[in-house]
Amino acid sequence: QLVLTQSPSASASLGASVKLTCTLSSGHSSYTIAWLQQQPERGPRYLMNLNSDGSHNRGDGIPDRFSGSGSGTERYLTISSLQSDDEAEYYCQTWGTGTYVVFGGGTKLTVL
Amino acid sequence: EVKLVESGGGLVQPGESLRLSCAASGFIFSGYSMNWVRQAPGRGLEWLSYISTRSRVLYNADSVKGRFTISRDNADNSLSLQMRSLRDEDTAVYYCAREGEDGGLDYWGQGTLVTVSS
Repeated sequence: QLVLTQSPSASASLGASVKLTCTLSSGHSSYTIAWLQQQPERGPRYLMNLNSDGSHNRGDGIPDRFSGSGSGTERYLTISSLQSDDEAEYYCQTWGTGTYVVFGGGTKLTVL
Repeated sequence: EVKLVESGGGLVQPGESLRLSCAASGFIFSGYSMNWVRQAPGRGLEWLSYISTRSRVLYNADSVKGRFTISRDNADNSLSLQMRSLRDEDTAVYYCAREGEDGGLDYWGQGTLVTVSS
């Protein structure tokens, strides 16, 4: 079964970098995922697609402070030079047969 | 500018029906598959339904199978979600989302709130 697992929370200081992790279920290491950002009281915003080889394509207007990488079943989102409005919930998303679209549970990022 | 605007949400009683709409603009609507996603209060994102460009392929989550029906009108650049037999647990903000060429959901609306309560 295709499942995405995320840590519920993360924190980092203003101006620092943070790396968020999304783990694909066993047997799904080749899957591409998408990273989404949801600021409080807003709809989700697409950040990027991230392939299994770590290549990624950012969405329209997404700054290069947001980058992606991967290793095996893990996919990472790195945010550098953290700003206050980076404080948000971050979701990973993938797609496949059966349950067509799958979301991770989300990671709530706190900027200290 | 790509824009998705949901409408049709509101307060309904358990067992009632509701139809949500999503107006699309700023892109060639007929060229993209579309999805409905919801988010219950304080919870994460839950995918509900998918429709291909010409409506030939439809997928639904088990939680709404048999109760919710997705449809689209490419001439009108609109997406719909017909919801029947609504339950308390269907209370959520409902989003329409475009599926990008790589499969990620690359544009989202602002959402419309559906409250199911007696």
